[in-house]
Amino acid sequence: AQSVTQPDIHITVSEGASLELRCNYSYGATPYLFWYVQSPGQGLQLLLKYFSGDTLVQGIKGFEAEFKRSQSSFNLRKPSVHWSDAAEYFCAVGAQRAGTASKLTFGTGTRLQVTL
Amino acid sequence: NAGVTQTPKFRVLKTGQSMTLLCAQDMNHEYMYWYRQDPGMGLRLIHYSVGEGTTAKGEVPDGYNVSRLKKQNFLLGLESAAPSQTSVYFCASSFRQGQMNTEAFFGQGTRLTVV
Repeated sequence: AQSVTQPDIHITVSEGASLELRCNYSYGATPYLFWYVQSPGQGLQLLLKYFSGDTLVQGIKGFEAEFKRSQSSFNLRKPSVHWSDAAEYFCAVGAQRAGTASKLTFGTGTRLQVTL
Repeated sequence: NAGVTQTPKFRVLKTGQSMTLLCAQDMNHEYMYWYRQDPGMGLRLIHYSVGEGTTAKGEVPDGYNVSRLKKQNFLLGLESAAPSQTSVYFCASSFRQGQMNTEAFFGQGTRLTVV
């Protein structure tokens, strides 16, 4: 069975500091990995995705993530956090191959608080 | 381009009442999904559809039914609402590029409270 673990429920960082959100996954086949962000009362917005190629992927809003197969991890990073980055972040895993639909398994989320 | 639209955005139900949540997408996507989001649990898949006229159970299907009579619409029904179904419900859609899946696009959510 597939699963996603986000070990940090809540993280607080100062504006301008660097950020790393952790994500570990378990998946039987080649995974399709995603990071989504959710602002309060809003839907989910895709930050970035990975399915093959360069293991360091760039996303929107200055975010990047690195896929490490040996560690089953897909951690999200940002060099300098802005106050507007305060939100909840979800890591998700799904199937690459079509035919099974892109059913996603989500982690429980990490809530990011940014202090000024 | 509206993307994925959910109706209604908020609803309060009494225990035992029924209701239908509507999801509409204008991107011609094959796949559609219903998730529920609960505090500390992330999003969990309720039901999904791989095409018009087809539906399948997800991780937490009990107490819900779905229908996909038209490609662009995916309905989620609660026949007899229970307080345990208080949640935020998200609809999503995705498509396939050749033999590969793509990312899911989400609606803004429906906040349902069952009292």
